[in-house]
Amino acid sequence: DPKIIQKPKYLVAVTGSEKILICEQYLGHNAMYWYRQSAKKPLEFMFSYSYQKLMDNQTASSRFQPQSSKKNHLDLQITALKPDDSATYFCASSPGTGGSQNTLYFGAGTRLSVL
Amino acid sequence: QQKVQQSPESLIVPEGGMASLNCTSSDRNVDYFWWYRQHSGKSPKMLMSIFSNGEKEEGRFTVHLNKASLHTSLHIRDSQPSDSALYLCAASPGGSNAKLTFGKGTKLSVKS
Repeated sequence: DPKIIQKPKYLVAVTGSEKILICEQYLGHNAMYWYRQSAKKPLEFMFSYSYQKLMDNQTASSRFQPQSSKKNHLDLQITALKPDDSATYFCASSPGTGGSQNTLYFGAGTRLSVL
Repeated sequence: QQKVQQSPESLIVPEGGMASLNCTSSDRNVDYFWWYRQHSGKSPKMLMSIFSNGEKEEGRFTVHLNKASLHTSLHIRDSQPSDSALYLCAASPGGSNAKLTFGKGTKLSVKS
């Protein structure tokens, strides 16, 4: 059984629309993350949360907003979608933060295509 | 500028051969390294981690780390077609808020 559940697996959106990507982890980890991967760029860090608090944000655009309703839950809301947002978005978690506790475990990803 | 550089970009080895992958960080604060493997269409999965100078072996996989040069290498002996994948190197300074930074990866193809 997958321990990090991402929904949906595939998502097609039109330019200008808004979508929410869902992520839940059942590993008992204290930190959660969003990473993005596209053909143009390597796996790229977006956000990190620890105990539901935002720890780091490397996303320049405010169109990307993480939402954490529970410690094991971290959604990603994307507004005013652009074709350049097309990518696979990976949710990840780690046991903690710092040192070896930073080891990441990834979900299966949500493949987003913006037309 | 990419802080984690991987080489080569792609590598073809024969089945049963040895594959050697390299990774160097340009961030002097880095203290921890990981190797992830990503099969086509799948998510990255942690293969090995190394946090101390020296060598670590797990089955067919060996990693080396030289902290002075911030260089790590992954060696796969007796390569199998199932080893064909994108190999990603990740590095982190290790502080409480330190994220993992990934390189662009090395695409390994093992030909039978």
